[in-house]
Amino acid sequence: GENVEQHPSTLSVQEGDSAVIKCTYSDSASNYFPWYKQELGKGPQLIIDIRSNVGEKKDQRIAVTLNKTAKHFSLHITETQPEDSAVYFCAARKTDSWGKLQFGAGTQVVVTP
Amino acid sequence: DAGVIQSPRHEVTEMGQEVTLRCKPISGHDYLFWYRQTMMRGLELLIYFNNNVPIDDSGMPEDRFSAKMPNASFSTLKIQPSEPRDSAVYFCASSFGGMGGELFFGEGSRLTVL
Repeated sequence: GENVEQHPSTLSVQEGDSAVIKCTYSDSASNYFPWYKQELGKGPQLIIDIRSNVGEKKDQRIAVTLNKTAKHFSLHITETQPEDSAVYFCAARKTDSWGKLQFGAGTQVVVTP
Repeated sequence: DAGVIQSPRHEVTEMGQEVTLRCKPISGHDYLFWYRQTMMRGLELLIYFNNNVPIDDSGMPEDRFSAKMPNASFSTLKIQPSEPRDSAVYFCASSFGGMGGELFFGEGSRLTVL
């Protein structure tokens, strides 16, 4: 099955700096790559996603890049703010397994003022 | 819409007891998922339903776990008998297949088995 590895496990950044989280996946048949943010005591929430026919996608301070050849994708957060502090999960899904998202282990991001 | 609603939010029980977790998905969503979250194993998919029918239960850890979806607005995850290693946060999520697959998670049920 699909295996998703996520790095780093923790990330501490100064407010205003950028944060980058990287994920790799194992199955070349994967074609959908979402990112979820989980705040303390809450369920994960989708923040951005990318499909395999696109190399980059941006939404305000958040961007995701995908390198299909290398089988890795990254989340970039610019101008970080304290409310960006949370656990971020990457995930991957194959075309023929619509319901089966494979999540990475998560990255705890701490934004210090 | 109120979002995905789970109950109870917290459950503390003793080993051997039956535990039932409940979920009300977002109205109109045709997929429902049960996930388990632990520090050691992260987010694991246990089972998912499409139009109330179980599609894949390969993530259910063992026969002690069972899930049902009697109608489009209700699902249960049951553990009988419970064991300390079942302690985790259990999330229910729902999705509308026609919208690309965003999962909407509930706030979770934190289970502690003593």
